[in-house]
Amino acid sequence: AQSVSQHNHHVILSEAASLELGCNYSYGGTVNLFWYVQYPGQHLQLLLKYFSGDPLVKGIKGFEAEFIKSKFSFNLRKPSVQWSDTAEYFCAVYGGATNKLIFGTGTLLAVQP
Amino acid sequence: GAVVSQHPSRVICKSGTSVKIECRSLDFQATTMFWYRQFPKQSLMLMATSNEGSKATYEQGVEKDKFLINHASLTLSTLTVTSAHPEDSSFYICSAPLPDGVFSSPLHFGNGTRLTVT
Repeated sequence: AQSVSQHNHHVILSEAASLELGCNYSYGGTVNLFWYVQYPGQHLQLLLKYFSGDPLVKGIKGFEAEFIKSKFSFNLRKPSVQWSDTAEYFCAVYGGATNKLIFGTGTLLAVQP
Repeated sequence: GAVVSQHPSRVICKSGTSVKIECRSLDFQATTMFWYRQFPKQSLMLMATSNEGSKATYEQGVEKDKFLINHASLTLSTLTVTSAHPEDSSFYICSAPLPDGVFSSPLHFGNGTRLTVT
């Protein structure tokens, strides 16, 4: 079955610290991978996506993620976080055969000024 | 601007009544829409896939008779929570891909509907 796991449920960082949020998936076929962000009181927004090609993808607001096929991972990174990055981050995986977009449990990031 | 509009944003209803939530794609046609449910401090759980002109596909454990989905047009999908109970209180979110393929583009999400059943 297709599944997504995010190991960090709650992360607290100081401004300018580096960020890495883990995302692992289980699915044997071709996948499309996404990171979404949900700021307090707002709806989900796409941060970045991977479909094919360069496994290092860059998204908005300085975020990037690396697809490592051998590890079934798609970790999200940002070199220097800001207070405005405080939000919940969701990794999502689409499996071609299942035709479903499945979300991870989310990681709540709190950035302290 | 928003490409998916969801209405209402918030609804309070009494136990036993039914509530209809609308999801509209703006400026594009959506043959497929997705309905998710989000519990507090939890992730989005896919409830069902709404298909224009055919029956919805429900995820395991989702009661199709309780959560009625209708996708009667290319821009509108509705979710009706029938005979609502307090345990149905949750945040319901719809989403739709742009028409260049189900997942060649990312999903766009509605703002969600906060349902409270008293």
